[in-house]
Amino acid sequence: DAGVIQSPRHEVTEMGQEVTLRCKPISGHNSLFWYRQTMMRGLELLIYFNNNVPIDDSGMPEDRFSAKMPNASFSTLKIQPSEPRDSAVYFCASTQTRKSTNEKLFFGSGTQLSVL
Amino acid sequence: GIQVEQSPPDLILQEGANSTLRCNFSDSVNNLQWFHQNPWGQLINLFYIPSGTKQNGRLSATTVATERYSLLYISSSQTTDSGVYFCAARPDRGSTLGRLYFGRGTQLTVWP
Repeated sequence: DAGVIQSPRHEVTEMGQEVTLRCKPISGHNSLFWYRQTMMRGLELLIYFNNNVPIDDSGMPEDRFSAKMPNASFSTLKIQPSEPRDSAVYFCASTQTRKSTNEKLFFGSGTQLSVL
Repeated sequence: GIQVEQSPPDLILQEGANSTLRCNFSDSVNNLQWFHQNPWGQLINLFYIPSGTKQNGRLSATTVATERYSLLYISSSQTTDSGVYFCAARPDRGSTLGRLYFGRGTQLTVWP
C-alpha cells in the first residue's frame, strides 16, 4: 500500500490567500484525522472523520478553517483567509476503526505551510 | 479528555545503550500507541498496545492498563533511533470512536 498521501509537501503563501491541503487515506481505512504540529502546541487534533462524517471538529481553530471528506478516498483542509499564525506542519492520518482490530494510526508525510 | 504525560522530556545516549521511555495517562484507555518522529519529520507507528507486551526487533513496549502507564524499551540504541517518541491514548468510553490524545514526546538523541 502507498500509505497516506498528502499534497502539497510544502506550501508558501501570503497572508490572506486561500490554502487547500489534500489527503488520500489508506485504502480500506474508515477514519481520517487532520493534525497540526507546532513547537509551541505540539500535535493538535483539528478534526476527524469516521465513514466520511465529521465526528469531532472541536480542534478547528476558527471559522477560517474548514474540512471536507466527499468520499472514502479523499479529504481536504482549507484555510481562508490564511494568517501567519497558521504556519505549521499539517498531518493527515488514517486508521481502521472497528472493535477487535489493530487500530494502528498511520500518518502522511505532512504539509509544511508557511504564511508570510 | 485525558492527560498523557511522557518522561523524560529529553534523553541523550551513547550508541549501544539501553533506555526506557514512560507514558502515564490519567484515565482508563482502550487504545494506546507509540510513534517515532524522525529528524525529517516523518511520524512512524511503532506499536498499537492498549495492554500487554509486544516486541519488534530492538524495541519493545509494555502497557499496564490497570496502573495507567506504558513503557517503551529501546535496546542497543543506534543513531537512527534519534528523534521524538510520542505516546497517544484514547479514553475508554465504551466505543471505538474518539480521538487519540498525544503526549508532548521524549526527544531522544543517540551519539555515535
